Amino acid sequence: KNQVEQSPQSLIILEGKNCTLQCNYTVSPFSNLRWYKQDTGRGPVSLTIMTFSENTKSNGRYTATLDADTKQSSLHITASQLSDSASYICVPYDRGSTLGRLYFGRGTQLTVWP
Amino acid sequence: NAGVTQTPKFQVLKTGQSMTLQCAQDMNHEYMSWYRQDPGMGLRLIHYSVGAGITDQGEVPNGYNVSRSTTEDFPLRLLSAAPSQTSVYFCASSPHGREVAGELFFGEGSRLTVL
Repeated sequence: KNQVEQSPQSLIILEGKNCTLQCNYTVSPFSNLRWYKQDTGRGPVSLTIMTFSENTKSNGRYTATLDADTKQSSLHITASQLSDSASYICVPYDRGSTLGRLYFGRGTQLTVWP
Repeated sequence: NAGVTQTPKFQVLKTGQSMTLQCAQDMNHEYMSWYRQDPGMGLRLIHYSVGAGITDQGEVPNGYNVSRSTTEDFPLRLLSAAPSQTSVYFCASSPHGREVAGELFFGEGSRLTVL
């Protein structure tokens, strides 16, 4: 059964500090993986997409990594800001089925304190 | 462009009542979908549509109906509300087809409480 496990479930850091969020998945056959950011009371917004052949991709202070062999991805946030407080959701895609088969993780709730 | 617009933002129903959650997008996206988000769980797909006149069931379709008469609109109907349907509902759209997992554009959500 395809699954997505994210860790930690929640995380509190001080403003300016770095953090790394983890995602382990068992989706197969794997196509790509997106990280979404969901602010409280809002809909998720895509941060970045990692395809099968990519190892690292940066989007400003966000850097995503992917190891397709071990089925692990991480999202590293550098120099955190208060606006980074949100839930971060890992979403791998199973290319063996329709677009409807995106697998949403439960998310990591990040809180950045001043 | 407004993107994906959901109405209402909040709704309280009594058990057994019916209602429709509205979703409209102005990006000419072929793909639209409905998800529900419950505490401690990932987003779960209810129904989706790959184009006008075409709909299909997702992971948790029971108790919900959809239709897609136009590209822009994708309403979600609750036939007889139950407390288990208390949740936050998100509508999402994507310009991409089945071969490529396109980016989903989400609405702001509709918070439904069933008493």
